[in-house]
Amino acid sequence: EPEVTQTPSHQVTQMGQEVILRCVPISNHLYFYWYRQILGQKVEFLVSFYNNEISEKSEIFDDQFSVERPDGSNFTLKIRSTKLEDSAMYFCASSRQGGSSPLHFGNGTRLTVT
Amino acid sequence: KQEVTQIPAALSVPEGENLVLNCSFTDSAIYNLQWFRQDPGKGLTSLLLIQSSQREQTSGRLNASLDKSSGRSTLYIAASQPGDSATYLCAVHTDKLIFGTGTRLQVFP
Repeated sequence: EPEVTQTPSHQVTQMGQEVILRCVPISNHLYFYWYRQILGQKVEFLVSFYNNEISEKSEIFDDQFSVERPDGSNFTLKIRSTKLEDSAMYFCASSRQGGSSPLHFGNGTRLTVT
Repeated sequence: KQEVTQIPAALSVPEGENLVLNCSFTDSAIYNLQWFRQDPGKGLTSLLLIQSSQREQTSGRLNASLDKSSGRSTLYIAASQPGDSATYLCAVHTDKLIFGTGTRLQVFP
């Protein structure tokens, strides 16, 4: 069964550095999402992306964050200048259509900012 | 603003018990509701998805019900096993998934 893949599984970076988290969504999916989960907290929506543009973003998704679909397969989340509080598990998800189409999640990237 | 709450926050039971996990949401305008399992430090495994027009879904020992009008869903786990120990998350689908707070389940032998 096709799946969403995320790399790396774990990334350690120093405060102030830029990081790029990578995701390969399921190939015939059109909608892409990033979520994050700070340790011990809820899974929170960050951003949704469709037709090469952001369709919705949360208040967490400030100017430090950006998303891109640089080619036909990858979907990336960039954090420009990481802060300690960016340490979290970041999940990528995709769905075939919007609306009621189920989201399929990757296994996540654990980001640790030191 | 949609809010999703899960009760109880944590549950510890002996093996073999039947369990009910509860999820409530504040806005009934949803497409569907999904239940996930999350093992410590791991990703999200989808267990069941109930469309808004459905009342329940079953998969093996799991049964999920949905009462959209009252903003409630339950996940029933029959004959619990130690391998069921994990955090269970419900999420409602509007134009995005909104997750609940989770129920941390421990099943001991």
